[in-house]
Amino acid sequence: QVTLKESGPGILQPSHTLSLTCSFSGFSLSTYGMGVSWIRQPSGKGLEWLASIWWNGNTYNNPSLKSRLTVSKDTSNNQAFLKVTSVDTADTATYYCAHTRIIRGRGYFDYWGQGVMVTVSS
Amino acid sequence: DIQMTQSPPSLSASLGDKVTITCQASQNINKYIAWYQQKPGKAPRLLIRYTSTLESGTPSRFSGSGSGRDYSFSISNVESEDIASYYCLQYDNLWTFGGGTKLELK
Repeated sequence: QVTLKESGPGILQPSHTLSLTCSFSGFSLSTYGMGVSWIRQPSGKGLEWLASIWWNGNTYNNPSLKSRLTVSKDTSNNQAFLKVTSVDTADTATYYCAHTRIIRGRGYFDYWGQGVMVTVSS
Repeated sequence: DIQMTQSPPSLSASLGDKVTITCQASQNINKYIAWYQQKPGKAPRLLIRYTSTLESGTPSRFSGSGSGRDYSFSISNVESEDIASYYCLQYDNLWTFGGGTKLELK
């Protein structure tokens, strides 16, 4: 059974760096075809893919945010991480991590965490 | 970057109706489209992947079709538990969500 859970600071100030952790079980990020992705959703708005990391260490970032995002993993402890630098109020959102599975050569998000709310405010 | 244009943004239906949501990609996405259901305060739930493959547990009243740039998602015989927002996701080249469709009861 795949489960994921996000954790983060809750609130942080503008210009600071947001650090999020995704703790998961039911799969290993060292197994071929497995990945973890980060997606966010401002309150009342749509979903935005942010970044993904694969079993082989390859990472992909949303081009619109590319330079601000860093995704990494700790395979031994079944965790993935996302850092977002220079946050501002537009980064206020619920952040989700999702198990990403490759089938037919493409990865899609099948299992999602419950999400963690992040508020950027001075 | 691939853009996904989802319509309509909102939809009003009666119980038992059939509803259809469409997503148009800015380029051919080779059937790599998934559909998600999201209820308030909850994470999205994967319903359909690769255009028309139902995930385990997805009721058969949900269906998907399409090819190239144009895709659709339908719910036949809308039930009260289907009241939610729905999103398409292209996963052919990176990942892009559609803007979402909010399904409400008429």
